[in-house]
Amino acid sequence: AQKITQTQPGMFVQEKEAVTLDCTYDTSDPSYGLFWYKQPSSGEMIFLIYQGSYDQQNATEGRYSLNFQKARKSANLVISASQLGDSAMYFCAMREGGSGNTGKLIFGQGTTLQVKP
Amino acid sequence: GAVVSQHPSRVICKSGTSVKIECRSLDFQATTMFWYRQFPKQSLMLMATSNEGSKATYEQGVEKDKFLINHASLTLSTLTVTSAHPEDSSFYICSGTGAYNEQFFGPGTRLTVL
Repeated sequence: AQKITQTQPGMFVQEKEAVTLDCTYDTSDPSYGLFWYKQPSSGEMIFLIYQGSYDQQNATEGRYSLNFQKARKSANLVISASQLGDSAMYFCAMREGGSGNTGKLIFGQGTTLQVKP
Repeated sequence: GAVVSQHPSRVICKSGTSVKIECRSLDFQATTMFWYRQFPKQSLMLMATSNEGSKATYEQGVEKDKFLINHASLTLSTLTVTSAHPEDSSFYICSGTGAYNEQFFGPGTRLTVL
């Protein structure tokens, strides 16, 4: 069963506008972490933001914020004031906690974001 | 953040040859490293978990005899693609686990098998 689902293969956004990239997850582990990464065409994985399952507040990092809805098991990424340099592929990932956790990440399918000038 | 390097960044080889990819944690010790494979426009698929001084744990469907992983020290893990074939052409990315379970990714290695 797919543990991390990103249902938007591609998204367009106008420069300076906000965009939301969807991510839903499935786990029975009460302890888990959710990550968002940006992958430009160069291939490097750039860490954007992290949300722990026990965090009370939604994570924010500059123009990035994570809309964490635990009951719905969703962790959408919001990018405000989009810039041309935001054009890239974005991955949502989950790490499950608990004993024996190796720290491995499970990735969603990814969403390609294109920012239009 | 911590730095992970990969070498080579690109490699082209002939079918049937073996290719070794190195993954180094430059400023931290990674007891655990992960190897991922990524086809164009697709997600990262975990291939194996590499623990220093012990055998790697492979994900289901990954041939351990084809993708040899060695994690001889706390700063170096290697992935050897043995008898490479064109279908092994892919982008291989490693990551190292930091002290607080953060994941630091290498820049990736693009393998092309002719």
